[in-house]
Amino acid sequence: DAGITQSPRYKITETGRQVTLMCHQTWSHSYMFWYRQDLGHGLRLIYYSAAADITDKGEVPDGYVVSRSKTENFPLTLESATRSQTSVYFCASSESGTGDPGELFFGEGSRLTVL
Amino acid sequence: QKEVEQNSGPLSVPEGAIASLNCTYSDRGSQSFFWYRQYSGKSPELIMSIYSNGDKEDGRFTAQLNKASQYVSLLIRDSQPSDSATYLCAVNWAGAGSYQLTFGKGTKLSVIP
Repeated sequence: DAGITQSPRYKITETGRQVTLMCHQTWSHSYMFWYRQDLGHGLRLIYYSAAADITDKGEVPDGYVVSRSKTENFPLTLESATRSQTSVYFCASSESGTGDPGELFFGEGSRLTVL
Repeated sequence: QKEVEQNSGPLSVPEGAIASLNCTYSDRGSQSFFWYRQYSGKSPELIMSIYSNGDKEDGRFTAQLNKASQYVSLLIRDSQPSDSATYLCAVNWAGAGSYQLTFGKGTKLSVIP
């Protein structure tokens, strides 16, 4: 089925470990995004990508790494997880050609707990 | 710093009433405006987008934009319990073709049967 999928949906890890959250979309959308959502802060942009091999920082990029070698994939890596990175992470995509890139389609989210 | 402000609520309305959700933003140059709905434990979903001053209607939903007042609202007519969710306002400062999107923190709506 077409859509945007995230994996894993739930992850528990320990402080200092590396974690990668995967995001895959089948629409061939140009834009892909990673957001985190925390109580009291709402949705905050971590990184985004306007096309393959083009990425840019968002509001809260520290401690995260992204890559986009293929249009359909946009993995997010926490190089050394910290407790403050416990959050729900949402991947999203949008298409700038036929619409506004602000029209986002979200994945189901990945709930990450760092102990 | 560009900001999007929403009343956090909760906003409680009886079933069948009109729910009015409001959002203000800090930059007059903003181009595109969006309303997302997020059910508890779920991901946000786009319900309305509006780009020019005035009203835009889609079923029971009406988005209203007033750029001079830097104000965008969402009206939900004939509110149903299934409308109970958090509504997120988002503003794309850059307009179509580019991306500088900021979300408000959301207003929680509760529709009472």
